[in-house]
Amino acid sequence: DGGITQSPKYLFRKEGQNVTLSCEQNLNHDAMYWYRQDPGQGLRLIYYSQIVNDFQKGDIAEGYSVSREKKESFPLTVTSAQKNPTAFYLCASSFPGQGYEQYFGPGTRLTVT
Amino acid sequence: AQKITQTQPGMFVQEKEAVTLDCTYDTSDPSYGLFWYKQPSSGEMIFLIYQGSYDQQNATEGRYSLNFQKARKSANLVISASQLGDSAMYFCAMRGPFSSGSARQLTFGSGTQLTVLP
Repeated sequence: DGGITQSPKYLFRKEGQNVTLSCEQNLNHDAMYWYRQDPGQGLRLIYYSQIVNDFQKGDIAEGYSVSREKKESFPLTVTSAQKNPTAFYLCASSFPGQGYEQYFGPGTRLTVT
Repeated sequence: AQKITQTQPGMFVQEKEAVTLDCTYDTSDPSYGLFWYKQPSSGEMIFLIYQGSYDQQNATEGRYSLNFQKARKSANLVISASQLGDSAMYFCAMRGPFSSGSARQLTFGSGTQLTVLP
């Protein structure tokens, strides 16, 4: 089955630690994205990548870093510089189809205490 | 800059009835795309329907249709024959023109929580 996987579903970290969220897709999509969702709110774009070894900052990139060494993988690192890291993180991918619609993974809920 | 506004934080509908979820948008680009996503309590975002700004007809996908009124800058989602499984958060989103870098980025509204009553 083709799709997007994110692991783990729940993640707990102590303040001051970096943490890396995994995102893998086997849809052969060229573009991948990371979003953050806070309770009761919409999604905000953190980073996106249109091709391997290239990525661009979204609206809220501060305190986050990404890499895109393989087409299938787009890991997100939440660094200790991110002031409010507790949130729901969603990964997505898209292809240049009809509307560039994005398909999402199941998400990772990160809690930092 | 693009902006999406969803003014209904919550909506209730009786099972088997139709419901309209409102979405208005703001952009200065003549070329853009509009999307609706469903987010159940599990958290995953599910793509429902897409409308391009130059599409002549309103988009339809099964029980979902998009009421696109370009002059009013609205893109309301209509769900016909509501089912209990339709209870979820619904988000309207927009992308920029294909010619620009913003074509790959989506701007989301704040969402509408739909509850279908038995």
